[in-house]
Amino acid sequence: GQQVMQIPQYQHVQEGEDFTTYCNSSTTLSNIQWYKQRPGGHPVFLIQLVKSGEVKKQKRLTFQFGEAKKNSSLHITATQTTDVGTYFCAGPLSSGGSYIPTFGRGTSLIVHP
Amino acid sequence: KAGVTQTPRYLIKTRGQQVTLSCSPISGHRSVSWYQQTPGQGLQFLFEYFSETQRNKGNFPGRFSGRQFSNSRSEMNVSTLELGDSALYLCASSLSPLSLAGRSFSNNEQFFGPGTRLTVL
Repeated sequence: GQQVMQIPQYQHVQEGEDFTTYCNSSTTLSNIQWYKQRPGGHPVFLIQLVKSGEVKKQKRLTFQFGEAKKNSSLHITATQTTDVGTYFCAGPLSSGGSYIPTFGRGTSLIVHP
Repeated sequence: KAGVTQTPRYLIKTRGQQVTLSCSPISGHRSVSWYQQTPGQGLQFLFEYFSETQRNKGNFPGRFSGRQFSNSRSEMNVSTLELGDSALYLCASSLSPLSLAGRSFSNNEQFFGPGTRLTVL
């Protein structure tokens, strides 16, 4: 069935190193969203990408949407301990004439000071 | 603006019982979605309600049901609880119905509540 896959599952980095998580969909997406969930918390919306090839930046975070609108990535430059958490991508996958928000399994970022 | 609230925050039940969870969306949001989050399966969509109507449903058994009231508050019910139902149940509200996300480029950012941690013994 249709799915959204995300890699890696875990990523350990030293503070100051860069981090990237990748998201791939089995089908073309109309848009993709990224969320961050801190340990013990709930997902918090980061951004939504809509256009093919779109690149958006939020301070040290760079989000990209692939040309085919089937993949996306989140890159964090010079990680900080405040970046710790699990990053999820989510896209609307069609189901029975409607669209179901489908989340990737997430990438847990662990930053070592 | 107050965020999404969920009650109760923690719940312990035994197998075979039923449970009702409540969610109050952000004022003005008419879409409420429910998710189950477990370490093994991740974040899985249960269903979405918009204007008191269930718009779509994920791949969960009929023991999972929900409803939405005229003030957009929503409840979900799980009957005949099983051990595998232990999870964090999250609700999220948004301005636009997610069921139209494939066709609509409008902002359907989801605002999540803190969740209800359900433990089934």
